[in-house]
Amino acid sequence: QVQLQESGPGLVKPSETLSLTCTVSGGSINSYYWSWIRQPPGKGLEWIGYIFYSGSTSYNPSLKSRVTISIDTSNNQFSLKLTSVTAADTALYYCARSGVAARNFDSWGQGTLVTVSS
Amino acid sequence: QSALTQPASVSGSPGQSITISCTGTSSDVGGYNYVSWYQQHPGKAPKLMIYDVSKRPSGVSNRFSGSKSGDTASLTISGLQAEDEADYYCSSYTNNSLGVFGGGTKLTVL
Repeated sequence: QVQLQESGPGLVKPSETLSLTCTVSGGSINSYYWSWIRQPPGKGLEWIGYIFYSGSTSYNPSLKSRVTISIDTSNNQFSLKLTSVTAADTALYYCARSGVAARNFDSWGQGTLVTVSS
Repeated sequence: QSALTQPASVSGSPGQSITISCTGTSSDVGGYNYVSWYQQHPGKAPKLMIYDVSKRPSGVSNRFSGSKSGDTASLTISGLQAEDEADYYCSSYTNNSLGVFGGGTKLTVL
């Protein structure tokens, strides 16, 4: 049973860079798509983007200029960087797995809350 | 890329059936048979309930079913149970290999 665990700072200052890592255990990071999805407090889900194990990526156009997703297959981890954050980026950030691009997210992390505040 | 449209809330009594709609465009819901549905209980991560419009992952009750007509997909829950009370989100694959979610629907079991 694959497990995903997000990690990173829970507090980020405005204009700085949000950095999160998702560690995959109980299964290989190969042959899957790995996504980041966020949920502002009390609001709905927003797809941020994905990376394929080979390194190809796709990003939400509304965030594309600020987002980078990378992968470290040797350590079964993938990461999210979001630059120039504002209070609007405060959210619960989930990492998730899918066998196909941008859909059918069958395994999720528990989520990590990131607050943007000075 | 706009969010898919879902009703904010639906409700039903135990044993009844309810349907949640998810409306998109020909660039997402209408253009591909790649709609999925997620159940989210408070404080928990979402759980995949339906994928590729109408397929159920192993372990998901057959009380949950999905369908699509044109630009609108639907999730139907039959034999409503108290444990079904949760938020439900639809999601679709879109042009250029992107993903998009609906705004979410709160299901209340009366």
